[in-house]
Amino acid sequence: EAQVTQNPRYLITVTGKKLTVTCSQNMNHEYMSWYRQDPGLGLRQIYYSMNVEVTDKGDVPEGYKVSRKEKRNFPLILESPSPNQTSLYFCASRTTGTDSYEQYFGPGTRLTVT
Amino acid sequence: GQSLEQPSEVTAVEGAIVQINCTYQTSGFYGLSWYQQHDGGAPTFLSYNALDGLEETGRFSSFLSRSDSYGYLLLQELQMKDSASYFCAVIGAGTALIFGKGTTLSVSS
Repeated sequence: EAQVTQNPRYLITVTGKKLTVTCSQNMNHEYMSWYRQDPGLGLRQIYYSMNVEVTDKGDVPEGYKVSRKEKRNFPLILESPSPNQTSLYFCASRTTGTDSYEQYFGPGTRLTVT
Repeated sequence: GQSLEQPSEVTAVEGAIVQINCTYQTSGFYGLSWYQQHDGGAPTFLSYNALDGLEETGRFSSFLSRSDSYGYLLLQELQMKDSASYFCAVIGAGTALIFGKGTTLSVSS
């Protein structure tokens, strides 16, 4: 089954404790992206990657890191989480080989930083 | 900069037709997409318009006017299951997908 998976789905952590949210897709997509969703603010892009070893900042990259060492994986790293990073996070992927720009989203990771 | 404007809430009754508008401002423009998100779930793709005009997919249609930087999503024969948030999104410079803040559609019987 074609899908984007994220782990963990739920995470409660404390300020300053490094964490990684994993994202993996099995569709051989070149493009992968991370979004955060907050009430009333919609989906805001954190980082995106056009292909392996190519990453770029989105609209809200502060406090986050990413890496793209393999095509299927795009982990999101919070080196020193703070309470303002409490949010719902979505990973997404798409192929660059079509005209529709259709993105496939993972199920989401709900992060709480206390 | 890039920005999208869409209404925050829309209400309708079952069987009705509803139109959700989206105006955008972006540097570089490839097209306009629409996504649906049920409460707590992942956004799912509905449609994409790259050229002016109407695209129809079943009960849902999407329209784009590039000269007016405007588009809309038209939902016909509304059903209770259509209650969800709807996001317009532009594919802009760098082919990044930038989302609007979303429109919450409530369908009542």
